[in-house]
Amino acid sequence: QVQLVQSGAEVKKPGASVKVSCKASGYTFTSYGISWVRQAPGQGLEWMGWISAYNGNTNYAQKLQGRVTMTTDTSTSTAYMELRSLRSDDTAVYYCARVSIAAAGNKWFDPWGQGTLVTVSS
Amino acid sequence: DIQMTQSPSSLSASVGDRVTITCRASQSIDNYLNWYQQKPGKAPKLLIYAASSLQSGVPSRFSGSGSGTDFTLTISSLQPEDFATYYCQQSYSSPHTFGQGTKLEIK
Repeated sequence: QVQLVQSGAEVKKPGASVKVSCKASGYTFTSYGISWVRQAPGQGLEWMGWISAYNGNTNYAQKLQGRVTMTTDTSTSTAYMELRSLRSDDTAVYYCARVSIAAAGNKWFDPWGQGTLVTVSS
Repeated sequence: DIQMTQSPSSLSASVGDRVTITCRASQSIDNYLNWYQQKPGKAPKLLIYAASSLQSGVPSRFSGSGSGTDFTLTISSLQPEDFATYYCQQSYSSPHTFGQGTKLEIK
């Protein structure tokens, strides 16, 4: 079955970096994209960006530009999200999700990884 | 950025009720609209994509409609497992923003 399995929880100090992994299985990795979405405690969902696993093209949310990098390793069907210069308001559960794209350009996210809690605290 | 506004923000209903959640976009997004369900401590789950297409494996009591700026998610007969938070999301333009969520609670 199609599955995304993320790396474990992280605790980081302000100013540090974190890199979260998302290992895909059950489908052809390069035929889809991977998006990253985060959710602060008790809050809604925030789209961070996405990467095409086919050609590595990326599209990041403007507010994270310069701090976030999304990459893929097609040899291991794994996607990565690195966030730098961490602040306390980056504390959140980070999700990866497979991105499907219709011919008309619609995108949807399914399935999602189990989530990775990143805590930023001094 | 396109703003997505859901209403209501919370809703109390009973098993067997018909429930409708509304999502409004700040500009036209054609049918580039998805709906997700999230239960506490779990990842979101895709219910509806492209405004009205039911994701495989999702019960037929869920349906979506709309185009342009106004969209609805309808649950025809609420089941106990449907009590959760629901989010709409637009994929028309980046950033692919989500609505603030609608929490569906048991009455």
